[in-house]
Amino acid sequence: AQSVTQLGSHVSVSEGALVLLRCNYSSSVPPYLFWYVQYPNQGLQLLLKYTTGATLVKGINGFEAEFKKSETSFHLTKPSAHMSDAAEYFCAVRAADGYSTLTFGKGTMLLVSP
Amino acid sequence: GAVVSQHPSRVICKSGTSVKIECRSLDFQATTMFWYRQFPKQSLMLMATSNEGSKATYEQGVEKDKFLINHASLTLSTLTVTSAHPEDSSFYICSALSNRQGSSQAFFGQGTRLTVV
Repeated sequence: AQSVTQLGSHVSVSEGALVLLRCNYSSSVPPYLFWYVQYPNQGLQLLLKYTTGATLVKGINGFEAEFKKSETSFHLTKPSAHMSDAAEYFCAVRAADGYSTLTFGKGTMLLVSP
Repeated sequence: GAVVSQHPSRVICKSGTSVKIECRSLDFQATTMFWYRQFPKQSLMLMATSNEGSKATYEQGVEKDKFLINHASLTLSTLTVTSAHPEDSSFYICSALSNRQGSSQAFFGQGTRLTVV
């Protein structure tokens, strides 16, 4: 069984400020971890993913996330927020067995103010 | 919270037959729903965007005649895999957009595991 918890349904930052979106997971087997972004009225886009190897993963649009096994976390960060980053962000986990399905968190809405 | 129900959760069908997957928003109206496909060891692929009362918008490379999408009401979208083949075996997920107070929020179905034998 696996689950994902995203802390905070809404996160507000000022333009230029650090973005930190939290994601904790539980999985009985080694996980693959994903962050997706959804802009208004659009489908999901993959931001980044962790499968194996380096635990610090860089994605598109300046986002990165670090897999911390000891903390069962995969928090998403960006050093400086842009107005265009305002969107909903989803963390997802699946078991690294090639068969299991994705389990999503409930999403975090990122609001960016001028 | 808002709930999206996807049915069936698992289905096995014979090659050449058609399978219908339903996606229902249980406590909100969804003018827009999305259908995704998950390939083994990979992330999701957006197949199409389904808008109530109009034709679905398919992503490049997705066969419209094979993956029929109908969004006949504000709470129901269906994906029909026609003339299924083993390579269509996959995990299909729907997502529905809830528009409340001027902002949209996405909710996901539980997914459907399709196995074509």
